[in-house]
Amino acid sequence: EIVLTQSPGTLSLSPGERATLSCRASQSLRGSNIAWYQQKPGQAPRLLIYGASSTATGIPDRFSGSGSGTDFTLTISRLEPEDFAMYYCQQYGSSPKFGQGTRLEIK
Amino acid sequence: QVHLVQSGAEVKKPGASVKVSCKTSGYTFTGHYVHWVRQAPGQGLEWMGWVNPNRGSTHYAQRFEGRVNMTTDTSVRSVYMDLSRLTSDDTAVYFCARSSAWYHPFDYWGQGTLVSVSS
Repeated sequence: EIVLTQSPGTLSLSPGERATLSCRASQSLRGSNIAWYQQKPGQAPRLLIYGASSTATGIPDRFSGSGSGTDFTLTISRLEPEDFAMYYCQQYGSSPKFGQGTRLEIK
Repeated sequence: QVHLVQSGAEVKKPGASVKVSCKTSGYTFTGHYVHWVRQAPGQGLEWMGWVNPNRGSTHYAQRFEGRVNMTTDTSVRSVYMDLSRLTSDDTAVYFCARSSAWYHPFDYWGQGTLVSVSS
């Protein structure tokens, strides 16, 4: 069973700064079937990135994804106030799994 | 545009069952899978399973096998998730979410349904 570990648990940054969120898989993911979601309080998750590096429809270009194998990264180039939220990585496939999440908070 | 609209909050007693609905619009109902994902208070996301509205086939996470049943009604473009033998650990927000195939990411989500289990 694949386990996804996200780090850090909490990331404190200021608007305008660059955010780098990590997701590590317990075994290599062939096909890079990793997605990233953003979730704000009281809302459903929103798909940001799929296929490790493809941006979903309507997502601003300050969001980008990278990685392969076991290590994946979500980068937000310049933080906007609305970007402060929870972020989850997901391995999608036969039995989808989510990481435990990274909380991105305002410093 | 694509919409997934879920039924309202539920309060159940331990041992009871709950059925949550997810009504879809704005896309070919039988052309996409629907997943169920839950989130306990203050916790992360947990995938429960999927249903294929085209064939009615299902695939459940092992921990829910025997306790969950996902069904569809194509006449009203709706998907249902039935969870039985509820305990307090099942208190969570339950989301439905769409994917283009079972091995694709979840591109549209319902708003969530809070299920509270308490004696």
